[in-house]
Amino acid sequence: NAGVTQTPKFQVLKTGQSMTLQCAQDMNHEYMSWYRQDPGMGLRLIHYSVGAGITDQGEVPNGYNVSRSTTEDFPLRLLSAAPSQTSVYFCASRNTGVDYGYTFGSGTRLTVV
Amino acid sequence: RKEVEQDPGPFNVPEGATVAFNCTYSNSASQSFFWYRQDCRKEPKLLMSVYSSGNEDGRFTAQLNRASQYISLLIRDSKLSDSATYLCVVNSRGSYIPTFGRGTSLIVHP
Repeated sequence: NAGVTQTPKFQVLKTGQSMTLQCAQDMNHEYMSWYRQDPGMGLRLIHYSVGAGITDQGEVPNGYNVSRSTTEDFPLRLLSAAPSQTSVYFCASRNTGVDYGYTFGSGTRLTVV
Repeated sequence: RKEVEQDPGPFNVPEGATVAFNCTYSNSASQSFFWYRQDCRKEPKLLMSVYSSGNEDGRFTAQLNRASQYISLLIRDSKLSDSATYLCVVNSRGSYIPTFGRGTSLIVHP
């Protein structure tokens, strides 16, 4: 099993450009989430999904869109990149049920110039 | 008050030392608990779940104190490779989303 796969690993964008961060998992997990991590800030939830076709906003959703057309894929779209979106982005998934922990992807390091 | 609080450290210990971290949580609906390890510039990885009766995995022991609303992680015989940030994570009844602490930094030196 590959687990949670994120692409790309690194990306540099110019202000105003758009792009999609890809996330795929092969564990048949219903729950998927996107986090960003900045120095001294911990993990902050951007968007999450509890199943195909169902998404909701997290703590810092502005400037980002998500969709969940399949169980496996949960892409994160940056609509118009801003320097404040420079961060490390992690996708994570887990089984339903409160006793399960998240499995994280290896992250995407995004720099917006 | 943050829902999940950790001492950010860093905890600076010599090889072979025993070190313990605590994590306090404020939501009484908290139901399951985890410790994650995050190496520099890497993703968080599940270290161990924390069970009500306490549990051990090699040099690592996790405990839960529901009355005082905290969990702990004890690392015995610290290795250089234990240097990392340790995140406390809590799942609560009625919530799809776990709550992450900001992590405790551990540095093990020779």
